[in-house]
Amino acid sequence: GAGVSQSPSNKVTEKGKDVELRCDPISGHTALYWYRQSLGQGLEFLIYFQGNSAPDKSGLPSDRFSAERTGGSVSTLTIQRTQQEDSAVYLCASSLSGDIQYFGAGTRLSVL
Amino acid sequence: GQNIDQPTEMTATEGAIVQINCTYQTSGFNGLFWYQQHAGEAPTFLSYNVLDGLEEKGRFSSFLSRSKGYSYLLLKELQMKDSASYLCAVRDRNAGNMLTFGGGTRLMVKP
Repeated sequence: GAGVSQSPSNKVTEKGKDVELRCDPISGHTALYWYRQSLGQGLEFLIYFQGNSAPDKSGLPSDRFSAERTGGSVSTLTIQRTQQEDSAVYLCASSLSGDIQYFGAGTRLSVL
Repeated sequence: GQNIDQPTEMTATEGAIVQINCTYQTSGFNGLFWYQQHAGEAPTFLSYNVLDGLEEKGRFSSFLSRSKGYSYLLLKELQMKDSASYLCAVRDRNAGNMLTFGGGTRLMVKP
């Protein structure tokens, strides 16, 4: 597609449930990033994929968070046993080898 | 680590000029980016500086001083639609060329 696509746009879940968030990057972009943005706050880096290299997971806040990128394209961010503090907007971005990042509209996650 | 500071909120008048400052500390500076983010929307790229000086792009300009660890975003002829958050982000070659974002400056443009 023309831009970065994320789904779902909104997700409401109960505490303790697992959720999966999806990101379709811009075609041909080798780098993919996940960020978290709490209300009124800046972007918190979570994880970074570059080509076939091992991902940089240094920003993941706990072992409940994981992400994968299949075939160098689509990525899924999984949060297990969700907690209320996981409520935030999860943003995905892609770029050509670390150049300008282009963002998707995000998934707004609400954990009740 | 990196520290990026920018004001939390600013208010300006339609038609006026506003300057949003950003200061940073980083070990391997490799570029500074400004993004605009309207409420509930994705951040969109505005400008990129890697060398000292002013980059002009229409009503928006961005300035960088690497020796001072300082940048500003200048918005001229403000329009109501410019009300948004403006995010400063620094790329660090010693951190895998990752971007670290500041907390953002929420700009409110009033008539």
